[in-house]
Amino acid sequence: DTEVTQTPKHLVMGMTNKKSLKCEQHMGHRAMYWYKQKAKKPPELMFVYSYEKLSINESVPSRFSPECPNSSLLNLHLHALQPEDSALYLCASSHEGINYGYTFGSGTRLTVV
Amino acid sequence: AQSVTQLGSHVSVSEGALVLLRCNYSSSVPPYLFWYVQYPNQGLQLLLKYTSAATLVKGINGFEAEFKKSETSFHLTKPSAHMSDAAEYFCAVIPRGAYGGSQGNLIFGKGTKLSVKP
Repeated sequence: DTEVTQTPKHLVMGMTNKKSLKCEQHMGHRAMYWYKQKAKKPPELMFVYSYEKLSINESVPSRFSPECPNSSLLNLHLHALQPEDSALYLCASSHEGINYGYTFGSGTRLTVV
Repeated sequence: AQSVTQLGSHVSVSEGALVLLRCNYSSSVPPYLFWYVQYPNQGLQLLLKYTSAATLVKGINGFEAEFKKSETSFHLTKPSAHMSDAAEYFCAVIPRGAYGGSQGNLIFGKGTKLSVKP
């Protein structure tokens, strides 16, 4: 298995809703990442998990809450989002310390209404 | 701080023509270098990577890139463009320390949109 699987592919949520994005990989990668990508922009790093522990939070608002239940799963919990949070959310994984690049999922297209 | 510059936010070529997408990095220690492609409404796919082995790197879909330390560049080329190559291309780096280990996470350039005319 050489893929990162993200669900759902599309999500529309209201500003008072609570939802979660899910990411799964079975490549034995011990580093996992959440990126946010706005239209016509490069991906921006949000969070990094290394060996299931949060190692980097790029000053992301608390309405985004990451969780890494085990070495294969990564969640992003969403609460009280704003319309400007609408974006493509990408999950990625990589070997820790081995720079073969990151493997990205196909993303979740989030629309906040 | 490490930065990645992609010259040209939009490149247009005719089908069958040479594709050249430019990427320059800013550090004195050459970083790990990558090219990713993103098709509309999809995630990013790794095209190729340079990790200090051969300076000419071959990737998927007929693309290749050459690392030139003297020019701090890692330009992406393809001899003959195909309509299916139309996409957004991102150059990205992982900074390296003086002893070769990685220092930090993947940093993206602003991207170059490639259009292919019939």
